[in-house]
Amino acid sequence: AQSVAQPEDQVNVAEGNPLTVKCTYSVSGNPYLFWYVQYPNRGLQFLLKYITGDNLVKGSYGFEAEFNKSQTSFHLKKPSALVSDSALYFCAVRAWESSYKLIFGSGTRLLVRP
Amino acid sequence: ETGVTQTPRHLVMGMTNKKSLKCEQHLGHNAMYWYKQSAKKPLELMFVYSLEERVENNSVPSRFSPECPNSSHLFLHLHTLQPEDSALYLCASSREKGTAESPLHFGNGTRLTVT
Repeated sequence: AQSVAQPEDQVNVAEGNPLTVKCTYSVSGNPYLFWYVQYPNRGLQFLLKYITGDNLVKGSYGFEAEFNKSQTSFHLKKPSALVSDSALYFCAVRAWESSYKLIFGSGTRLLVRP
Repeated sequence: ETGVTQTPRHLVMGMTNKKSLKCEQHLGHNAMYWYKQSAKKPLELMFVYSLEERVENNSVPSRFSPECPNSSHLFLHLHTLQPEDSALYLCASSREKGTAESPLHFGNGTRLTVT
């Protein structure tokens, strides 16, 4: 069965510092991995995805994520956090053989302090 | 503008009421989804439609009834709901079946409160 784990309910970081939001996954076969962000009173917005190729993928708003097959992880990173990055972040995974089933993690709230 | 529009944004209804949520996408996608987002829980996939045909139903109670009249519109009909059904209901769309790498595009959701 597919699953996604986001071990941290909340991540706190000072503005200008690097940030990491953690995600681990479990899926049979090759995974398709996604990160989404949700701002208050809004739907989810797509940030980036990993399908194949380079393990480091770049996305919107300066975010990037590193795919690590041996650790089954897909951590979201940003070199320098902004206060406006404060939001709820979701990791998601989809297996090729079940193309509709995008399974989401429970979400991590990122709080960037000025 | 997300390309996926949901109405209403907020809805308060009693347990005996009947109401409908509406979703419209302007992205030329062929698959549409309903997700339920409750506090402290992962997003729950409720229904998936591809080319107006339901292809996934995650054992959702019958008090939720989806309708997809065409590839651009999706409805969720609600009747005799329970207070625990209070949540944010999110509509999403994506390209056609077989494109597992295609991201979902979400609307801003309908905040439903059942009293």
